[in-house]
Amino acid sequence: QGQLVQSGAEVKKPGASVKVSCKASGYTFTSYGVSWVRQAPGQGLEWMGWISGYNGEAEYAQRLQDRVTLTTDTSTSTAYMELRSLRSDDTAVYYCARGAPSGSWRVWGQGTLVTVSS
Amino acid sequence: VLTQSPGTLSLSPGERATLSCRASHSVSSSYLVWYQQKPGQAPRLLIYGASSRATGIPDRFTGSGSGTDFTLTISRLEPEDFAVYYCQQYAGSPPRITFGGGTKVEIK
Repeated sequence: QGQLVQSGAEVKKPGASVKVSCKASGYTFTSYGVSWVRQAPGQGLEWMGWISGYNGEAEYAQRLQDRVTLTTDTSTSTAYMELRSLRSDDTAVYYCARGAPSGSWRVWGQGTLVTVSS
Repeated sequence: VLTQSPGTLSLSPGERATLSCRASHSVSSSYLVWYQQKPGQAPRLLIYGASSRATGIPDRFTGSGSGTDFTLTISRLEPEDFAVYYCQQYAGSPPRITFGGGTKVEIK
């Protein structure tokens, strides 16, 4: 089945960057991609992008593509999401999820709360 | 854009729940997905390909629809079914995923 374990909560100031990790176990990392989804407090889900675990090819949501970078480290089976130029409205729980860029994600990380506050 | 209705559904255990997801443009059924989310938890995959239940999902959950109109039906609500439900669509070239705004199913 597999498991994704994310890094811990972060507090950042406006204008800073944050990098969240998502460590995979129980499956072959290079056989699946990883998507990133965020959820602002009390709000719905927003797709941020997807990265291939095989070759590192990434696709980004248009409205975030200038500020987000997805990467992988196959040696540690870990995916990373870096978000730059943080604003207060980036405060959210950030999730990673295993699967194809087309959705249907069965395996999710536990979520990482990122708080942006001065 | 995916529009879910109603925003909140107040029902009693044992009742039937019907949740709607309407797309602004025709969606391939292959790429219409439903998730359940409980407070403090990650979303859980319920339905993929508009009508296929994910592994371990009880048969009281049924997905249906095509084109621009999709429905998630919960035949008889169990206490653990009270949650928020999201529909999701995928469109390619460039790939993008869109979620509906969610329907909260609450205990009446």
